[in-house]
Amino acid sequence: ILNVEQSPQSLHVQEGDSTNFTCSFPSSNFYALHWYRWETAKSPEALFVMTLNGDEKKKGRISATLNTKEGYSYLYIKGSQPEDSATYLCASNTNAGKSTFGDGTTLTVKP
Amino acid sequence: DVKVTQSSRYLVKRTGEKVFLECVQDMDHENMFWYRQDPGLGLRLIYFSYDVKMKEKGDIPEGYSVSREKKERFSLILESASTNQTSMYLCASSPVVAYNQPQHFGDGTRLSIL
Repeated sequence: ILNVEQSPQSLHVQEGDSTNFTCSFPSSNFYALHWYRWETAKSPEALFVMTLNGDEKKKGRISATLNTKEGYSYLYIKGSQPEDSATYLCASNTNAGKSTFGDGTTLTVKP
Repeated sequence: DVKVTQSSRYLVKRTGEKVFLECVQDMDHENMFWYRQDPGLGLRLIYFSYDVKMKEKGDIPEGYSVSREKKERFSLILESASTNQTSMYLCASSPVVAYNQPQHFGDGTRLSIL
């Protein structure tokens, strides 16, 4: 993996469904993996920063895991709500704080 | 509360004009970044700055320049605007040498070049 890749590109789910998406990143020279949520007409906001292999982070119904050896992170949303509709971005950081972003996964939750 | 402010939410300019996009942060962050975001693509780094008067090219610097005369202000300059620079532009900041610190973003400027 040379770049940061996210899948799927978009996702449509019903309210109450649980969902997950993937971020793949170069496993060599890894420093940190960031997840952001970007709602329409707002600025991207940080969800999680993960640095250690096996890290798990949780904020309400949203959680994330990290595998630095194989170079992937999963973001899970349990019981999706319409307010979860957003584009979810992941970014891999260099040691100087420069980020390489994936193309994002756009989640639409239908009531 | 942290704040990154971009000077305009929407901007319309003409081909060939010199365009300035301004960004100000109030968090005393050393790092500042300019990105553009196009449909179906993630954030692509145009330029970044680690300190006053310091700048480094990102992934897509062609057609752009930047200025950082004061720590809190980072300006993006389109020297001669072209239609392929129509895009959403985002400014961000973060603390120095902080790979484990998230970036803080402005609300973005949607720029249209006619």
